[in-house]
Amino acid sequence: EPEVTQTPSHQVTQMGQEVILRCVPISNHLYFYWYRQILGQKVEFLVSFYNNEISEKSEIFDDQFSVERPDGSNFTLKIRSTKLEDSAMYFCASSVRSRAGVSDEQFFGPGTRLTVL
Amino acid sequence: GQNIDQPTEMTATEGAIVQINCTYQTSGFNGLFWYQQHAGEAPTFLSYNVLDGLEEKGRFSSFLSRSKGYSYLLLKELQMKDSASYLCAVKKGQAGTALIFGKGTTLSVSS
Repeated sequence: EPEVTQTPSHQVTQMGQEVILRCVPISNHLYFYWYRQILGQKVEFLVSFYNNEISEKSEIFDDQFSVERPDGSNFTLKIRSTKLEDSAMYFCASSVRSRAGVSDEQFFGPGTRLTVL
Repeated sequence: GQNIDQPTEMTATEGAIVQINCTYQTSGFNGLFWYQQHAGEAPTFLSYNVLDGLEEKGRFSSFLSRSKGYSYLLLKELQMKDSASYLCAVKKGQAGTALIFGKGTTLSVSS
């Protein structure tokens, strides 16, 4: 069964450093997302991406964040200068467009646990 | 603003039935999802409701009342492996829009 994959599974970095989190969405999916989950808290939306551009972003997704689809398979999240409060599990998700009334469920990857020291 | 409320914790025994409630107040509505999340893992899709009524899927059922801003997830014949967090999430817009998640309900199933 196709699945979303993410690398690395765990990233440790120093405050102020740049990190790039990588995702390979399901191959026939058209919409891509990043969410984060701080330990013990709820899953929070960061950004969605469609047709090579951002379609929606949350207040969390400030100038320190960027997304890119550098080739036909990868989808990346870059954090330019990490802060302690960026420590969280980052989930990539993808979905396929569907007709109205039909679920366009989002399939989540296993996540990257980011630890900022 | 967006508000999605669900109980923090619930406990039940193997073989029992449990109902997890979710109420929501969002600026838009285009469907409600239930996800299961085991500790340290990704959310996995359980069910979707966009119209009022009950959707049944094996041991799991989900109900929606749009006029009341209310949904529930019903789990029957509970098994130990059902111990997990259950996340209620609202999609506000068309395909490709964000899911807004509640804080999740941690269900503990004991023998």
